[in-house]
Amino acid sequence: GENVEQHPSTLSVQEGDSAVIKCTYSDSASNYFPWYKQELGKGPQLIIDIRSNVGEKKDQRIAVTLNKTAKHFSLHITETQPEDSAVYFCAAPQWGAAGNKLTFGGGTRVLVKP
Amino acid sequence: DAGVTQSPTHLIKTRGQQVTLRCSPKSGHDTVSWYQQALGQGPQFIFQYYEEEERQRGNFPDRFSGHQFPNYSSELNVNALLLGDSALYLCASSLILGNEQFFGPGTRLTVL
Repeated sequence: GENVEQHPSTLSVQEGDSAVIKCTYSDSASNYFPWYKQELGKGPQLIIDIRSNVGEKKDQRIAVTLNKTAKHFSLHITETQPEDSAVYFCAAPQWGAAGNKLTFGGGTRVLVKP
Repeated sequence: DAGVTQSPTHLIKTRGQQVTLRCSPKSGHDTVSWYQQALGQGPQFIFQYYEEEERQRGNFPDRFSGHQFPNYSSELNVNALLLGDSALYLCASSLILGNEQFFGPGTRLTVL
């Protein structure tokens, strides 16, 4: 099955600085890589995703890059703000007979200090 | 669009009891997946329902069972509760051929 590893487990940055979270996956057949943000007491919120035919995708202050050869993908947050403080999860899908299931990384707790 | 909704928000049970959790998917979605999230960990896939049938299952015992109704809503049932079943249970909705999964707020289950 799919195995997803995520680093670092915690990340503390100064407001305005950039944050980078990295993930590796094991199944070379995976072709879709979402990132979720989870705030305290809430469910994970899909913030950005990338498909395997694209190397980079940006949405305002967040971007995701994908290296299929090396089987790793990264989340970049620029100009961090206090509201970016949360736990971030990467995930990779595994398609079955019908539909896909997501395998998640262990999460990165991001703290943005004012 | 109300998004994915789950009920109840919190639940306290004792060992050996049974529990039922409920989920309504986003409007237009036909597939519901359930995940268990232990404290400080990423969500773990339990199973997925489409067309009222279980389509995929993760590494969970058969104490965990589910159901999907004709209106696409779903239930997760856990029998013979153990202390280790204490977790946040998340429901995610999607289209069967789609990639994106959207999560509900979860149900926090505490087993005493």
